[in-house]
Amino acid sequence: KAGVTQTPRYLIKTRGQQVTLSCSPISGHRSVSWYQQTPGQGLQFLFEYFSETQRNKGNFPGRFSGRQFSNSRSEMNVSTLELGDSALYLCASSLRTSGHTDTQYFGPGTRLTVL
Amino acid sequence: ILNVEQSPQSLHVQEGDSTNFTCSFPSSNFYALHWYRWETAKSPEALFVMTLNGDEKKKGRISATLNTKEGYSYLYIKGSQPEDSATYLCAFTNGNQFYFGTGTSLTVIP
Repeated sequence: KAGVTQTPRYLIKTRGQQVTLSCSPISGHRSVSWYQQTPGQGLQFLFEYFSETQRNKGNFPGRFSGRQFSNSRSEMNVSTLELGDSALYLCASSLRTSGHTDTQYFGPGTRLTVL
Repeated sequence: ILNVEQSPQSLHVQEGDSTNFTCSFPSSNFYALHWYRWETAKSPEALFVMTLNGDEKKKGRISATLNTKEGYSYLYIKGSQPEDSATYLCAFTNGNQFYFGTGTSLTVIP
């Protein structure tokens, strides 16, 4: 079974630009969550999508948005990039059959650098 | 914002030593606690999902315990091996979203 894939793996942008990251979950998984990791911080929850609907949202500004398609693939968009958005962005997929007791499977991440 | 703390922040042990680390989380609105191992240049890998107070889980030389009433979980590694070197993360969930600790970085010296 193929794992979670994320594209691109590395990205360099400049302040003010926007960026779109993509995540393909494990086949059959309908839940995709996005996380941000910056140096010294734990993984910070961005949002979760389930069956094309945003189920939960973390404490991030509106510049961070996402969506999920009917095949469960998800995209995350960051508009008007700031230097502080430089981070590793991870997505994770799960079956989400019962609350949050299902195992999350993480992708390799996208390393975003904002100059 | 819920606070999940892990200690120690980093740990260096000799091969063969046993070690343990702690994850502290809010004792209210507990739904589940997840443990992950994150090796450098790889994706976080799930170790355990724990839901009940008093839960004990084991996977090879790694085991974990859970105390939801006092809000902590311990992860134990028996007879550490160099391949155990990684960052170990815990994540608390109240059923809505996950709150991750900053991890314990373990280095096992051969």
